[in-house]
Amino acid sequence: DAGVIQSPRHEVTEMGQEVTLRCKPISGHDYLFWYRQTMMRGLELLIYFNNNVPIDDSGMPEDRFSAKMPNASFSTLKIQPSEPRDSAVYFCASSGGLNEKLFFGSGTQLSVL
Amino acid sequence: SQQGEEDPQALSIQEGENATMNCSYKTSINNLQWYRQNSGRGLVHLILIRSNEREKHSGRLRVTLDTSKKSSSLLITASRAADTASYFCAKMDTGRRALTFGSGTRLQVQP
Repeated sequence: DAGVIQSPRHEVTEMGQEVTLRCKPISGHDYLFWYRQTMMRGLELLIYFNNNVPIDDSGMPEDRFSAKMPNASFSTLKIQPSEPRDSAVYFCASSGGLNEKLFFGSGTQLSVL
Repeated sequence: SQQGEEDPQALSIQEGENATMNCSYKTSINNLQWYRQNSGRGLVHLILIRSNEREKHSGRLRVTLDTSKKSSSLLITASRAADTASYFCAKMDTGRRALTFGSGTRLQVQP
């Protein structure tokens, strides 16, 4: 298996622009997680899904952030409009069934200028 | 904050020495996990210990869990330069599937 796949690997955008991050979880995994990592705040859970249904979105910073999982093999995290404070590394992770360990993607390095 | 606390924040040792990292938390947990992150990369799972377990081993890794003190430790024995990375503890609260990560320990192993 190719593991969790995230795209793009790097994204540089200007303040006010829309940003869409993409994630393909490991096939067969029924949980998908979005995390954000910054030096100041560490690793923060943004949202997680079970069987494509959002379970907990309490970590989503504000209405500018939205996440979707239209099917078991794809999820998006959208920021609209983006702000410089959104600059961070965004990780997607997945896990499956009784196996509670998370498999992480390589992350998307987002820079908002 | 719901995040766990880890200490030390940074640790520098010589190859062959042992490295110990500690993690504390405040909630009731289902399990506690340790992850490794190389610079600029994603996190990789190392070991999981359940709330009813006290100690677990995996190769050169030894993890302990004390639920009465709400703390865990990760011991890496006979460290190697390739062990240089950041190490994070992550707790899975009872009734919840997501992990809450600690602040991490940056380990530097000098060859």
